[in-house]
Amino acid sequence: EAQVTQNPRYLITVTGKKLTVTCSQNMNHEYMSWYRQDPGLGLRQIYYSMNVEVTDKGDVPEGYKVSRKEKRNFPLILESPSPNQTSLYFCASLKPGYNEQFFGPGTRLTVL
Amino acid sequence: AQKVTQAQTEISVVEKEDVTLDCVYETRDTTYYLFWYKQPPSGELVFLIRRNSFDEQNEISGRYSWNFQKSTSSFNFTITASQVVDSAVYFCALSSRGTGFQKLVFGTGTRLLVSP
Repeated sequence: EAQVTQNPRYLITVTGKKLTVTCSQNMNHEYMSWYRQDPGLGLRQIYYSMNVEVTDKGDVPEGYKVSRKEKRNFPLILESPSPNQTSLYFCASLKPGYNEQFFGPGTRLTVL
Repeated sequence: AQKVTQAQTEISVVEKEDVTLDCVYETRDTTYYLFWYKQPPSGELVFLIRRNSFDEQNEISGRYSWNFQKSTSSFNFTITASQVVDSAVYFCALSSRGTGFQKLVFGTGTRLLVSP
């Protein structure tokens, strides 16, 4: 089954404790992205990757890092999480030609 | 700049009523795609429709229909005979050639509450 998976699905952590949210897709898509969803703001792009070892900032990259060492994986790293990073995070991969984004199930992060 | 506006923050209807969710977009690109996603209370994003800028035909899928009008930069979504299961947040989104279609610009969403 074609899918995007994220782990963990839920995470409660404390300020300053480094964490990684993993994202993996099995569709061999080149493009992958991370979005965050906040009430009243919709979803906003954090980072994106056009291929292995190629990443770039989206609209709200501050406080986040990403890496793309393999085509299938695109982890989101919060080196020193802060309460304003409490949000619902979505990973997505893009089906070329159809220009349709496939979204993961979401990761609900709470930073205390 | 690209922008998607969903002016309706929340809509409440009674089951079997028809409801229209509005979406207005802005882009300078002539080639773009418009999308609607549903987000039920469980939180996942469910893809509903994709429409490209060269196809202004309206589309109907069961109780769902979409009205794309380039003249008014709108891509409205109508649910006919709404049901409780339609209760969700609905997002309109835009991607365009200018960003290689890799980025989705979302509206702020419309929460639809359908009561029995």
